[in-house]
Amino acid sequence: DQQVKQNSPSLSVQEGRISILNCDYTNSMFDYFLWYKKYPAEGPTFLISISSIKDKNEDGRFTVFLNKSAKHLSLHIVPSQPGDSAVYFCAAPDPYGNKLVFGAGTILRVKS
Amino acid sequence: DAGVIQSPRHEVTEMGQEVTLRCKPISGHNSLFWYRQTMMRGLELLIYFNNNVPIDDSGMPEDRFSAKMPNASFSTLKIQPSEPRDSAVYFCASTGTSVNEQFFGPGTRLTVL
Repeated sequence: DQQVKQNSPSLSVQEGRISILNCDYTNSMFDYFLWYKKYPAEGPTFLISISSIKDKNEDGRFTVFLNKSAKHLSLHIVPSQPGDSAVYFCAAPDPYGNKLVFGAGTILRVKS
Repeated sequence: DAGVIQSPRHEVTEMGQEVTLRCKPISGHNSLFWYRQTMMRGLELLIYFNNNVPIDDSGMPEDRFSAKMPNASFSTLKIQPSEPRDSAVYFCASTGTSVNEQFFGPGTRLTVL
């Protein structure tokens, strides 16, 4: 049972344009969400997070939006740069345990 | 700080052989996680430890998989016997007081022929 879903395996965007990565969740008890970025041959690294008391969190070119009623969050990257090309994972802390539940990831390719 | 250290970075072995993956968490972190990344399932949590004690091993796929954490600075994930379907990248991660920011190692790419 996938509690965190990233339904787009890949996304291709032109440099300078907006990248929008989507994530859906099923567990209404999730109250915090994170995005991790992973480059080839490296481990995932924390990128940005959002608490369920907010609907938006911005950090430079990265903004995460949360729609609790739709159980949906999205990561916006504006403007996209070739160095943003990576795998992006959406995650949420399991309310019952000390662990994170990850989505399957979306491969982002930013073309120059 | 050197971050989470994993060894080996790459492992190629033949079906039936024993494989041992190693992890050194960040000093002072008290939780350690083993993940497997595959194209089909993304990042799967296999097992995690808190203060060297296994807390949740429900993600361990079969009895062929075992993990130990004999002390706060070392953990192993063992597969015996290995099978081709075990081929994946295995990550170790650690965290301190907040589970939210896990720090990942560079991973071990395992290929079982």
